Amino acid sequence: NAGVTQTPKFQVLKTGQSMTLQCAQDMNHNSMYWYRQDPGMGLRLIYYSASEGTTDKGEVPNGYNVSRLNKREFSLRLESAAPSQTSVYFCASTEGSWVRYFGPGTRLTVL
Amino acid sequence: QKEVEQDPGPLSVPEGAIVSLNCTYSNSAFQYFMWYRQYSRKGPELLMYTYSSGNKEDGRFTAQVDKSSKYISLFIRDSQPSDSATYLCASWGEYGNKLVFGAGTILRVKS
Repeated sequence: NAGVTQTPKFQVLKTGQSMTLQCAQDMNHNSMYWYRQDPGMGLRLIYYSASEGTTDKGEVPNGYNVSRLNKREFSLRLESAAPSQTSVYFCASTEGSWVRYFGPGTRLTVL
Repeated sequence: QKEVEQDPGPLSVPEGAIVSLNCTYSNSAFQYFMWYRQYSRKGPELLMYTYSSGNKEDGRFTAQVDKSSKYISLFIRDSQPSDSATYLCASWGEYGNKLVFGAGTILRVKS
């Protein structure tokens, strides 16, 4: 039981490049989330998916797209990376009302 | 004004001390209150949660909520160096899927 896994762990991009952050959970949870964490800002919700086939915007969705590929996987895509997207990205999943399980994070630097 | 405010610290205490970590919140609709622990370069892990006002104890940890003053506290008794981490408070209300996090308090327990 791996919980929530994320790939890659680290990534450096140049401005304008695109990339997809991958997330998978093996706990059969319906709800999955993408957060970003910046110093002094706490965790901010980018997008969430309450169930397979549905996605909704969170607090800071601009510049991101998501895909709930199946019940296990929820990916986050940056189409044209900007330096303001330098952050640590966490995927999370839960069965219930609030987030219980986080992945280990992806550290992204955009130059 | 952020919906959940938290002093970033760092808070430095000697081993064995009682630690008090605090948050304030502004939204009266919040009913669930959580504490997450985040070790350096790791994802947050849910430590405790409480519903409405009152206390909840789990081993050396006690979570306390005072809804009249919109104040959330986490007490750690007999603090250990292994408690050194960032502690994030969070609040959730039934009006939506939005879990709001504080910025986190860095705790350092010195042996």
